[in-house]
Amino acid sequence: GEDVEQSLFLSVREGDSSVINCTYTDSSSTYLYWYKQEPGAGLQLLTYIFSNMDMKQDQRLTVLLNKKDKHLSLRIADTQTGDSAIYFCAESETGANNLFFGTGTRLTVIP
Amino acid sequence: DAGITQSPRHKVTETGTPVTLRCHQTENHRYMYWYRQDPGHGLRLIHYSYGVKDTDKGEVSDGYSVSRSKTEDFLLTLESATSSQTSVYFCAITGTGEITEAFFGQGTRLTVV
Repeated sequence: GEDVEQSLFLSVREGDSSVINCTYTDSSSTYLYWYKQEPGAGLQLLTYIFSNMDMKQDQRLTVLLNKKDKHLSLRIADTQTGDSAIYFCAESETGANNLFFGTGTRLTVIP
Repeated sequence: DAGITQSPRHKVTETGTPVTLRCHQTENHRYMYWYRQDPGHGLRLIHYSYGVKDTDKGEVSDGYSVSRSKTEDFLLTLESATSSQTSVYFCAITGTGEITEAFFGQGTRLTVV
């Protein structure tokens, strides 16, 4: 199956920017997603990007896509303690009906 | 929040016993999914359904079966639970259309002892 890789842990200080990285192997990926999982909860969609885009910005979130290197990143500006969670990237050729998830990155925000 | 309810939320069972997890949705969405979440693996798809009585296997379907007799309910059964099936199980739903959001339930933590 498709491989989607993420580093497992990231710690940042409150107010700094966080950058969470993801690499994938499927060259047919059309949709790339970022989901957030808070403790004891299910996943919630944060944002998504089409493979024909390089960047997408949504308030404090910036998604960068390097399709040549199959590299996706999520930047969170002015990181807050409420951003502490596990962040999953996911890719799909056909949309949310066929998602492959990364291993998840646990973001810890230090006050 | 999307109307997805998983039950039970927590369960401890013995090896070899059958276990059924339930996912109930009130959104009338066509697609329903069962994932398992394990450290170092992220979420992996077990089975999914694309309509009543229409189901298919996912990446890690061995040892699991599913049923969907009504649009709103999707059941996941472990016929004979093993310790390797200790995990957190998530149900998800999606609608139709090119860009759809997957909505997830709160999860069921299953421990097989």
